[in-house]
Amino acid sequence: QSALTQPASVSGSPGQSITISCTGTSSDVGDYNYVSWYQQHPGKAPKLMIYDVNKRPSGVSNRFSGSKSGNTASLTISGLQAEDEADYYCSSYTRRSDSYVLFGGGTMLTVL
Amino acid sequence: EVQLVESGGGLVKPGESLTLSCAASGFTFSTYALNWVRQAPGKGLQWVSSISRYSSYIYYADSVKGRFTISRDDARTSLYLQMNNLRADDTAIYYCAREGGGSRFYDYWGPGILVTVSS
Repeated sequence: QSALTQPASVSGSPGQSITISCTGTSSDVGDYNYVSWYQQHPGKAPKLMIYDVNKRPSGVSNRFSGSKSGNTASLTISGLQAEDEADYYCSSYTRRSDSYVLFGGGTMLTVL
Repeated sequence: EVQLVESGGGLVKPGESLTLSCAASGFTFSTYALNWVRQAPGKGLQWVSSISRYSSYIYYADSVKGRFTISRDDARTSLYLQMNNLRADDTAIYYCAREGGGSRFYDYWGPGILVTVSS
């Protein structure tokens, strides 16, 4: 069982918007603006898409955006494209003594 | 161009040891914290270990504490993971990842290396 909770799967049609949630606790997501999101295509390494809740690294499309409310962070992908189909993982800074970062269990995005 | 390339993976028996290496290039290696993150077949990402600049701070996941040792050689721009007493549940792809900042996000990842522990 992962420390951060994500839906197992989401889907959307090309051009639509989808949102993936990531729920933690007041010891991680809720207490720090240090949530990041990674995209992983099959057989590939994860790629950073969002960091510090809502910042985009250079080269990442502005169709990807992040937000946070309380203990839940969200990744929104607008104008869905076929190449967005991938697994998405959230991660958070934590003050738990038994960990350094926490990951969500991952969400499989299907573009219909 | 930032590059991280893992090596040293393979098939080992339970109880055996293995050392992973991560060769880095394209950035000032000594100024970044580095991590190992693993992914069991068909499963999600799991943080394994972290080492700060100058090796000042080192952290391990409870599942590997006492069995794995992380280290770095700034002169060789390399990161290592010594894995002892390997178990079947250590089977995973191991990624070397660079921390992009103090908020513990990973801005660059290696392609990963497979470690299989099986009798």
